[in-house]
Amino acid sequence: DAKTTQPPSMDCAEGRAANLPCNHSTISGNEYVYWYRQIHSQGPQYIIHGLKNNETNEMASLIITEDRKSSTLILPHATLRDTAVYYCIVRSGPLGTASKLTFGTGTRLQVTL
Amino acid sequence: GAVVSQHPSWVICKSGTSVKIECRSLDFQATTMFWYRQFPKQSLMLMATSNEGSKATYEQGVEKDKFLINHASLTLSTLTVTSAHPEDSSFYICSARGNAGVGKTQYFGPGTRLLVL
Repeated sequence: DAKTTQPPSMDCAEGRAANLPCNHSTISGNEYVYWYRQIHSQGPQYIIHGLKNNETNEMASLIITEDRKSSTLILPHATLRDTAVYYCIVRSGPLGTASKLTFGTGTRLQVTL
Repeated sequence: GAVVSQHPSWVICKSGTSVKIECRSLDFQATTMFWYRQFPKQSLMLMATSNEGSKATYEQGVEKDKFLINHASLTLSTLTVTSAHPEDSSFYICSARGNAGVGKTQYFGPGTRLLVL
C-alpha cells in the first residue's frame, strides 16, 4: 500500500472549516483513500473514503487532486468534539477484498474556542 | 454506519493469567475481522487478520501462540491473551468488515484496555 504523509498537528478555531492535508504521491490506480479519526481513548471512527472523485457525507468532504497524489479532508464547521487524531490511509483493492488498513501517525487536530 | 462492540471495555489481571476479549459486529456480517494493539502515544498496530472459519494470519513479530484468535461466526471474534505479562498491557482494538452494504467499509470497536499487574 502507498505511504501517506500528514502534518503532525493542526489547530482550528471552533466554527471554522478544518482542512487536513494528506500526501500520497506513490498511490496507484486501484488504491482508495480512507480517512478515520480517533478521539482520545476510543476506537477509530470511519469518516469518508474515495477513489478519484470528490466525496461528501454528513461528517466531511474529501477533495482528491486530479493526479491523486494528495487529498484534503474538510470538516466544514469544526466543533470542540472534532478534536482528535485524524488518519489518512491508502488501501489497495476494491471494497470487500482482504486488504488491510495500516495506520500512520496521523494529524492531531485541536479545535479551540 | 455499522456498529462493532467489544467486551470487556477494560480488564485488570494478574501476571500469568489469560484474558479473553470479545468482538462483535452488531448489524452486519463480518467476513473479516482485524485485531490491533495501541501503546500510549503511539499509532495502531495491526496484530492479525482473521476470516470467518479460517485460521488467523498474524503480522510479523506477533506470537500466534500467545495471542489466540478465534473467528467462529460471522458476528464474533475473540482474542485471548495467554499467560499475560505486564508488557502486554495495552489498548486492544478490533475491527470488522463485511462484503455487502455498510459492512464493506472497515469499522472499529471501542477498544479494550488491558492492565496486567
